[in-house]
Amino acid sequence: AQSVTQLDSQVPVFEEAPVELRCNYSSSVSVYLFWYVQYPNQGLQLLLKYLSGSTLVESINGFEAEFNKSQTSFHLRKPSVHISDTAEYFCAVSRSGSEKLVFGKGTKLTVNP
Amino acid sequence: EPEVTQTPSHQVTQMGQEVILRCVPISNHLYFYWYRQILGQKVEFLVSFYNNEISEKSEIFDDQFSVERPDGSNFTLKIRSTKLEDSAMYFCASSIVTGLRELFFGEGSRLTVL
Repeated sequence: AQSVTQLDSQVPVFEEAPVELRCNYSSSVSVYLFWYVQYPNQGLQLLLKYLSGSTLVESINGFEAEFNKSQTSFHLRKPSVHISDTAEYFCAVSRSGSEKLVFGKGTKLTVNP
Repeated sequence: EPEVTQTPSHQVTQMGQEVILRCVPISNHLYFYWYRQILGQKVEFLVSFYNNEISEKSEIFDDQFSVERPDGSNFTLKIRSTKLEDSAMYFCASSIVTGLRELFFGEGSRLTVL
């Protein structure tokens, strides 16, 4: 069975600072990895995903994540955050052949001026 | 931009009552899902639905739960006899292809069981 650990429940940062949101997963088989973002009063939105190929994936708004198989990690990074990045971020994993996403508990990112 | 819509946004019900949560997926999507999030806990998979049948379900999705796509546009989740522990935010999602490539989630329906 897969599981996802997001070690930080809350991450406060100042605007324009770099941020890293950590995600570790466990699985005995090949996995697909995702980051979803939830802005206040909205549904979950896909931010980026790793399915295969290049281990570094990027979103359109400056986030990136790197799949590290040896460390079973998929940390999310942004070199300079904006106040509008304030949201809750969920890491998720699935395996080939399953329709199920397994989510972490989420990390609340708060960007302060 | 097309979106998944869910109703009601919040429902309060008495224990033992039946509840139906409704979802309108994006119109050309073929795969449909329900997830839930109990306050303070992880988002959990309940069920996936394709071609008018359940394709996968979790151990949470017991006989008290059912899903239906009654009219080609709505996708419903029914809880027959609600328990206190069913209190949660329920998210509907849909996907145009087998879901893992990109799920589009609704804003959620908050269910409170008293």
